[in-house]
Amino acid sequence: AQKVTQAQTEISVVEKEDVTLDCVYETRDTTYYLFWYKQPPSGELVFLIRRNSFDEQNEISGRYSWNFQKSTSSFNFTITASQVVDSAVYFCALSTNTGNQFYFGTGTSLTVIP
Amino acid sequence: KAGVTQTPRYLIKTRGQQVTLSCSPISGHRSVSWYQQTPGQGLQFLFEYFSETQRNKGNFPGRFSGRQFSNSRSEMNVSTLELGDSALYLCASSLGPGAGEETQYFGPGTRLLVL
Repeated sequence: AQKVTQAQTEISVVEKEDVTLDCVYETRDTTYYLFWYKQPPSGELVFLIRRNSFDEQNEISGRYSWNFQKSTSSFNFTITASQVVDSAVYFCALSTNTGNQFYFGTGTSLTVIP
Repeated sequence: KAGVTQTPRYLIKTRGQQVTLSCSPISGHRSVSWYQQTPGQGLQFLFEYFSETQRNKGNFPGRFSGRQFSNSRSEMNVSTLELGDSALYLCASSLGPGAGEETQYFGPGTRLLVL
């Protein structure tokens, strides 16, 4: 069975602080894909990043960085120098080669205080 | 390229009625998935269509149904609405199996309120 756990329900940080959102996944498939999405108050899920199980290279995109560790089944997301516009709910998701179904975590609500 | 579009954006219905929601995928995308999002249950997968065929189905009652047309546009229908069906319904599109890119891109959602 596939499962994604985001243990942090809500996080508040002061602007310019760094923040890390945790994501732990479970799957027995050897080929799988991990995603992060951002959901602002408007409701639309915005795609941030996709990683496949064979690529453990960490990625940095501006203030965003992702740390993928297969040994701990984690795919954590760090925002550096947070801004008010980063306030949103962030979802981690998993899909496998056995279908196009996405398994979402319960989301982490991030509030950046000015 | 235009993104995923969903209509209507907001809908108010009463218990017992039925509702049809529409989704137009990104041009060239052939797979469409539907999700229900509620504060209590989070994001739950409803079903996925590819080439007019339902490929996957989540754990929802038969009142929830969908279809996909030859142009990849999709509709979902909920019959005999219940108060608990109030939710944000999200549609996502992707290229489809075998394309090597299964990232799902989401629409803005339809907010359904059942009174």
